[in-house]
Amino acid sequence: NAGVTQTPKFRVLKTGQSMTLLCAQDMNHEYMYWYRQDPGMGLRLIHYSVGEGTTAKGEVPDGYNVSRLKKQNFLLGLESAAPSQTSVYFCASSYSGSGIAKNIQYFGAGTRLSVL
Amino acid sequence: AQSVTQLGSHVSVSEGALVLLRCNYSSSVPPYLFWYVQYPNQGLQLLLKYTSAATLVKGINGFEAEFKKSETSFHLTKPSAHMSDAAEYFCAVSEDYGGSQGNLIFGKGTKLSVKP
Repeated sequence: NAGVTQTPKFRVLKTGQSMTLLCAQDMNHEYMYWYRQDPGMGLRLIHYSVGEGTTAKGEVPDGYNVSRLKKQNFLLGLESAAPSQTSVYFCASSYSGSGIAKNIQYFGAGTRLSVL
Repeated sequence: AQSVTQLGSHVSVSEGALVLLRCNYSSSVPPYLFWYVQYPNQGLQLLLKYTSAATLVKGINGFEAEFKKSETSFHLTKPSAHMSDAAEYFCAVSEDYGGSQGNLIFGKGTKLSVKP
């Protein structure tokens, strides 16, 4: 029962470098999300996707890009990393239908990113 | 616009004491409400979800929450704290847009400490 898997778990970047965070889910969920978590700020939505090939901006999208080429994968890209992007990044997925599971998001274990 | 306010960024209780974590929300339509728990260096796990079927919602690990529309509150309680309850707790709200997916808005979190 893998659920939502994020890779890598840790990463250190220098300012200006680029990287891609990978999220994979095996629950056949339509919806996927990327959040960042900063101390005292809770979780803030970066981008989300309601299906393969579709993405949308969340609350804090600047400096990030995403792609959803396959239903099970959601990639988060940083083209030119900045120290302000030092954070813990979480991916989540959720069921799109009705019923008891509606709107419940399932989270990965997170990626800890430091930008020096 | 939706918002979630969690009163108290840190709450400390003694083992065996009542746990009360406060959450107030604002929503223009009947909401879905959630409590998630985050243990150190892990992702978020669902504790419980309110869907309007019952105002008192029972979750995992002995937690429950009561929906009070008149107070726009969804406080989380547990009668007797255990050392293993030490974690950060997040309240979240989602609106149901006529059957379509609503994104989650998270509170800033409350860190619960349990003293022996």
